[in-house]
Amino acid sequence: DTGVSQDPRHKITKRGQNVTFRCDPISEHNRLYWYRQTLGQGPEFLTYFQNEAQLEKSRLLSDRFSAERPKGSFSTLEIQRTEQGDSAMYLCASSKYRENYGYTFGSGTRLTVV
Amino acid sequence: GESVGLHLPTLSVQEGDNSIINCAYSNSASDYFIWYKQESGKGPQFIIDIRSNMDKRQGQRVTVLLNKTVKHLSLQIAATQPGDSAVYFCAENRGGDEKLTFGTGTRLTIIP
Repeated sequence: DTGVSQDPRHKITKRGQNVTFRCDPISEHNRLYWYRQTLGQGPEFLTYFQNEAQLEKSRLLSDRFSAERPKGSFSTLEIQRTEQGDSAMYLCASSKYRENYGYTFGSGTRLTVV
Repeated sequence: GESVGLHLPTLSVQEGDNSIINCAYSNSASDYFIWYKQESGKGPQFIIDIRSNMDKRQGQRVTVLLNKTVKHLSLQIAATQPGDSAVYFCAENRGGDEKLTFGTGTRLTIIP
């Protein structure tokens, strides 16, 4: 297992376009998390899944954001009608329920909205 | 690689010396704390964790101290090496709550 994989690593998009990011967690991990990180800040929680169920969403996750984990394996995060304020690093992490809160992060997707 | 933070608190330490990175947390209900290391262009990497029923925990070259009275957490790195240069974040988790709340981070630079 190569850890948590995120794709793409970098994405540049024009304002108003839609973007979708993918996260492949560690295979035996049933929990998957999305965080957002802006320059100079620590990661901020967006949402998390246990298997295919989305159990919590942050108020940071506006209506333009949607996340899915259809088969309880990989997850996608879509941002519709991107705004410049969406520019950030989007981090995915996974963990195994009840075993380790110190979950494993991927390398992130750097989004730049121009 | 790209920087993960431009205006972070910074700490410069001579190679081979020990370093101490501090973190204040705000939620007295937090019962689990983690230190992460983040290198440029990478995601946070787990270093060490501690539960609120402990006040000290040691790993390989790292020690975490927890003072619940003043809601303070510290990470001690012994015999620092150039590879320790990174941004270090503390994170807290409240029992029953799945999300982690991260601090601002400290940039550690090891001087050769």
